Amino acid sequence: DIQMTQSPSSVSASVGDRVTITCRASQAISNWLVWYQQKPGKAPKLLIYSASTLQSGVPSRFSGSGSGTDFTLTITSLQPEDFATYYCQQAHSFPYTFGQGTKLEIK
Amino acid sequence: QITLKESGPTLVKPTQTLTLTCTFSGFSLTTSGVGVGWIRQPPGKALEWLALIYWDDDKLYSPSLKNRLTITKDTSKNQVVLTMTNMDPVDTATYYCAHTRIGFDPWGQGTLVTVSS
Repeated sequence: DIQMTQSPSSVSASVGDRVTITCRASQAISNWLVWYQQKPGKAPKLLIYSASTLQSGVPSRFSGSGSGTDFTLTITSLQPEDFATYYCQQAHSFPYTFGQGTKLEIK
Repeated sequence: QITLKESGPTLVKPTQTLTLTCTFSGFSLTTSGVGVGWIRQPPGKALEWLALIYWDDDKLYSPSLKNRLTITKDTSKNQVVLTMTNMDPVDTATYYCAHTRIGFDPWGQGTLVTVSS
């Protein structure tokens, strides 16, 4: 199985800040990487697929980059609605695997 | 607009079999490239992929749970059914179904299943 490791596990930031979350795969997955946002009590929402393609309707302050084993999710100019938990998922090979999540909290 | 909704028991006893149904609309599971997956999330923990069925009836399972899982589809009813045998308290989780082409999107609202005697 491909292990996905996110860092940090949690991060505190303020409205207007820029935040970067990292996801590392235990083996190369090309650009088969998906990012999700999950708010408390809600289902995850797909933000970015193919490592850097923004899903329709997702604000442009979200961006993704990376290829191979190292990936990043960047949120510029944090908004109050961005405080949530973020997960990466590899879609390169089965079994699909998720990172452990990064909780973005308000400072 | 694609929507999915999970249904099934909220409480099962240890050793029982869990049957969950995902009823969807807005897409057809006969369309090439389309699939429906199941993902679960124990309280306060991360997401875990369980199973996936494609338009061509290809079925994939988490190796760690493969012996306990069965996924089927009924295209006439727009439903996907997941069964999990020999339930244990560690299987307590919110179970989600989701549409997939690239990544899971969208997801159903989820259903919390508690395993307890």
